[in-house]
Amino acid sequence: AQSVAQPEDQVNVAEGNPLTVKCTYSVSGNPYLFWYVQYPNRGLQFLLKYITGDNLVKGSYGFEAEFNKSQTSFHLKKPSALVSDSALYFCAVRDMLYGGSQGNLIFGKGTKLSVKP
Amino acid sequence: EPEVTQTPSHQVTQMGQEVILRCVPISNHLYFYWYRQILGQKVEFLVSFYNNEISEKSEIFDDQFSVERPDGSNFTLKIRSTKLEDSAMYFCASSERGRNIQYFGAGTRLSVL
Repeated sequence: AQSVAQPEDQVNVAEGNPLTVKCTYSVSGNPYLFWYVQYPNRGLQFLLKYITGDNLVKGSYGFEAEFNKSQTSFHLKKPSALVSDSALYFCAVRDMLYGGSQGNLIFGKGTKLSVKP
Repeated sequence: EPEVTQTPSHQVTQMGQEVILRCVPISNHLYFYWYRQILGQKVEFLVSFYNNEISEKSEIFDDQFSVERPDGSNFTLKIRSTKLEDSAMYFCASSERGRNIQYFGAGTRLSVL
């Protein structure tokens, strides 16, 4: 079955330090991978995606993610965390079995990022 | 920047009542989706909609659920007879093309009492 795992419920980082939010996936074929962020009382906001090409993908707000096929991972990273980065982060993969051209997403359970001053 | 809007932000209803959750997708988008997130759990796919018909639906999307695009702008999710376990945050999303980025609304929190 296709799935996404986010092994950490919460990640705590000091402001200015690098952050990593982990994601691993299990799919048939080549994965289409996404990161979304959810701020309180807001919808899911797209951060970045990997479809093909360079393994290091750059996205919004200084975030980047590294696709690692051998480890089936797509970890989200940022070199220097800000307090304003505190939010809930979701990794997602496009459902290649049912999605077809419609492409519904399969989400991880989310990781709460807390950045302290 | 265009955005997906959902109304209401919070809906409280009694068990057995019908509810309609409303969404206005981004105007030039062609693919529409509903997802839900039960408190503390994953965001789960419910249904996708294209060309005025359901494209895919999950096992969650049973006969109690229906979707409609009644005019050129709105996309609705109806739950005919709500159950306690329908309490969740419901997210609408749209994309320009099926494989493109999905843009999400802020969600409607449904509380079934």
